[in-house]
Amino acid sequence: DIQMTQSPSSLSASVGDRVTITCRASQGIRNDLGWYQQKPGKAPKRLIYAASSLESGVPSRFSGSGSGTEFTLTISSLQPEDFATYYCLQHNSYPRTFGQGTKVEIK
Amino acid sequence: QVQLVESGGGVVQPGRSLRLSCAASGFTFNTYAMHWVRQAPGKGLEWVAVISYNGRTQYYADSVKGRFTISRDKSNNTLYLQMTSLRAEDTAVYYCARDPQLVGAFDYWGQGILVTVSS
Repeated sequence: DIQMTQSPSSLSASVGDRVTITCRASQGIRNDLGWYQQKPGKAPKRLIYAASSLESGVPSRFSGSGSGTEFTLTISSLQPEDFATYYCLQHNSYPRTFGQGTKVEIK
Repeated sequence: QVQLVESGGGVVQPGRSLRLSCAASGFTFNTYAMHWVRQAPGKGLEWVAVISYNGRTQYYADSVKGRFTISRDKSNNTLYLQMTSLRAEDTAVYYCARDPQLVGAFDYWGQGILVTVSS
């Protein structure tokens, strides 16, 4: 199974800050990675697919990068509505595996 | 618009069975693989199972293999998850999700349904 190691597990940031979240895969997954945002009591929402493609309707302050084993989600200027938990997901092979999640909190 | 609506959750005793449904609309159901994903209270996301677009292929997480069965009915655009021999650790919100395959994974999700396994 492919393990996805996501860091940090939580972070505190202020509105306007630049935020970076990292996922590392235990083996190469090409660019078969997505990033999801989840708010309390809600279903996850896809932000990024194919490691760096922005989902339609998602603000351009979100971006993804990486390939192989190292991936990054960046929020260029954190907005109040971005406080949430973020997950990476590998879909290169079964079982599909998620990162442990990163909770972004208000400083 | 794409809609996925789960139903069938509730409280069930350990060892009993439950069947979840996911009604799909707004897209051609029988051209997409479909998944179940769950989230235990206060925990992260865990993939559970997938079924191919034509229903011929299924994969399961080790944690549910042999106890859960994923299936689909193209006549009523519905995805199912039959859960047997339920355990306390199966307590979670269960989501169905669509798999666009060539454009990443899990592009649409249902709202989720809570399953509580407790005596």
